[in-house]
Amino acid sequence: GAGVSQSPSNKVTEKGKDVELRCDPISGHTALYWYRQSLGQGLEFLIYFQGNSAPDKSGLPSDRFSAERTGGSVSTLTIQRTEQRDSAMYRCASSERGRRYEQYFGPGTRLTVT
Amino acid sequence: EDQVTQSPEALRLQEGESSSLNCSYTVSGLRGLFWYRQDPGKGPEFLFTLYSAGEEKEKERLKATLTKKESFLHITAPKPEDSATYLCAGRLNRDDKIIFGKGTRLHILP
Repeated sequence: GAGVSQSPSNKVTEKGKDVELRCDPISGHTALYWYRQSLGQGLEFLIYFQGNSAPDKSGLPSDRFSAERTGGSVSTLTIQRTEQRDSAMYRCASSERGRRYEQYFGPGTRLTVT
Repeated sequence: EDQVTQSPEALRLQEGESSSLNCSYTVSGLRGLFWYRQDPGKGPEFLFTLYSAGEEKEKERLKATLTKKESFLHITAPKPEDSATYLCAGRLNRDDKIIFGKGTRLHILP
């Protein structure tokens, strides 16, 4: 079946602009995660959605970052007033109920803030 | 602070030369240790889950083991296609998120 998809694959934006990154999880997966990966750094947890429960937002680095998940499926990560330090690869992952830590990752969105 | 540390950062081996990658953790109440493989330009791919000290998991040329303080990913007689970055991650206490290490870049020379 289809894997996790993310769009766009690349995004170049000017400092101060808002951006939206999209994630389509694997159908039927109830858990969805957003991570940020910078060169030479590990995957940094941002936010986690599980079904209809309130999301775990504890990894969001500032209030410029927000995410939503509509209908328990597609998720959008929004970064407002982007800064150069936001430049990174943003990765989405999903997992099925009962196998929460067996995460399937998407190809990522490369964000460059100029 | 809860941390997951991997060593070495990079490792070059000749084809057939066995070795081990290390993942040490300072996570209070670890509730799971996970290994992933990441190929260049792609997202990580799940390999193993370990929950208890003494537990072992195997897949082809890879074997993951867990002690109370660290995990090892043993690679036996590696092939060039095993070249990738190997990531380990730990689950904290009762949180549902996991902390990833920075990875070990493994390069197998033919």
